[in-house]
Amino acid sequence: AQSVTQPDIHITVSEGASLELRCNYSYGATPYLFWYVQSPGQGLQLLLKYFSGDTLVQGIKGFEAEFKRSQSSFNLRKPSVHWSDAAEYFCAVDNLVQNFVFGPGTRLSVLP
Amino acid sequence: DGGITQSPKYLFRKEGQNVTLSCEQNLNHDAMYWYRQDPGQGLRLIYYSQIVNDFQKGDIAEGYSVSREKKESFPLTVTSAQKNPTAFYLCASTRELKNSAGELFFGEGSRLTVL
Repeated sequence: AQSVTQPDIHITVSEGASLELRCNYSYGATPYLFWYVQSPGQGLQLLLKYFSGDTLVQGIKGFEAEFKRSQSSFNLRKPSVHWSDAAEYFCAVDNLVQNFVFGPGTRLSVLP
Repeated sequence: DGGITQSPKYLFRKEGQNVTLSCEQNLNHDAMYWYRQDPGQGLRLIYYSQIVNDFQKGDIAEGYSVSREKKESFPLTVTSAQKNPTAFYLCASTRELKNSAGELFFGEGSRLTVL
C-alpha cells in the first residue's frame, strides 16, 4: 500500500524566513500529489496540486512545491513566511486505485 | 457560494449513545468521504460513496455507519460500538470518480467529545 511520510512533526521559523516542508511517498508509479493547509478547528484547504507537466507548481498564498521523481518527494516551499502561515500542513497522494492517503502533518509555528 | 456544510460543529455524547453528523454539499459532486482526524495521525478514511445508494468501507469503518439517499447528503452515524469516538470528523467531496484525478474539497469539520 502506498504511504506518505512527513518527517517533521513540528517546525518553527521566524517571520520573513524561508520555509521548506518535506513530503515523501512510496508508490511505484507517479501518483497525483497535493498539499493542504489546516488552521486549528477548521477544515482543509488546498494549497496546490501536481498531476503532470512542469514539476514546479505554484499554489495559493505564495506557496510552491517541486515534484522530484527520483526522490519520491513533493516538498512545499515559501520564500518568506508570514505570521498567518502558522497552521498544520498535510501532504496527500492519490494513485487512482486506493483512495487519498494523507501524511501525518507538519505543524508550523511562526515567531514574530 | 458552493461548498460543504457540516453540522453540528461541536457535539457532546454520553457513552452508549449513537450520534449522527450531517454533511451537505451543493457542489454537485458525485463522490463524498468521511475522515477521522486524531492528533499526529493525519486523516483516516471511514467511509466513502461514489453514487447515491452506494457506499464502501474505508480503513476504519468499525463502529460507524453511513447512508447516501441523496447526492447532496452523506450523514455519518457514530454508534455505541465505536470504542474511542472522541475525534474531529471531516467530510469531503470531489467531482471526480475513482478513475479520474481530482482534489478533495472539505467541510469545516465536527468535533465529537464523549463524556
